[in-house]
Amino acid sequence: QKEVEQNSGPLSVPEGAIASLNCTYSDRVSQSFFWYRQYSGKSPELIMFIYSNGDKEDGRFTAQLNKASQYVSLLIRDSQPSDSATYLCAVAEEAGTASKLTFGTGTRLQVTL
Amino acid sequence: DTEVTQTPKHLVMGMTNKKSLKCEQHMGHRAMYWYKQKAKKPPELMFVYSYEKLSINESVPSRFSPECPNSSLLNLHLHALQPEDSALYLCASSQEGRTYEQYFGPGTRLTVT
Repeated sequence: QKEVEQNSGPLSVPEGAIASLNCTYSDRVSQSFFWYRQYSGKSPELIMFIYSNGDKEDGRFTAQLNKASQYVSLLIRDSQPSDSATYLCAVAEEAGTASKLTFGTGTRLQVTL
Repeated sequence: DTEVTQTPKHLVMGMTNKKSLKCEQHMGHRAMYWYKQKAKKPPELMFVYSYEKLSINESVPSRFSPECPNSSLLNLHLHALQPEDSALYLCASSQEGRTYEQYFGPGTRLTVT
């Protein structure tokens, strides 16, 4: 059974600061990692994915992957109140011609004015 | 068209009712998924359809019956549900060759009375 662990938070950061969200996973053979943002009452929105060790940047978001430590993180630079949401880390595995996602419990981020 | 649509947005049903949830995508994605999400919990995979065939059933009770009439449409038929089945039901899809990247619809908020 794959496990994905996240601190539930809330993580509170002031506007303009860097928010750092962390995730660990149990299955050493996992290859594909995802960050979803979910606003209260809404569906998850895919914001970042990373497949290789190192950093991947997209606008204000940076995903970091360290497969040796089984650790993936999401950095949000210049945090805005609109970034306040729950961030779900997910690990994918192949399932024939589809895939299965295992989600962490999510970290609630609060960006304060 | 780059989105997954779901109807209805909200559904209230009694334990003896039969109802259906509908999901549609016109992105040419060949894998479609049903997830269930309870409050403050991550999404849990229920079913996976790949090329219109059921490929994964995560031991879901038979009161939930999925159907994939064509490559764009996914239904979830509901019958004799229990109050604990009240949740947000999410549909997702992914494209051939990039099946890990799943895109979610807005969900159907189901309340069983």
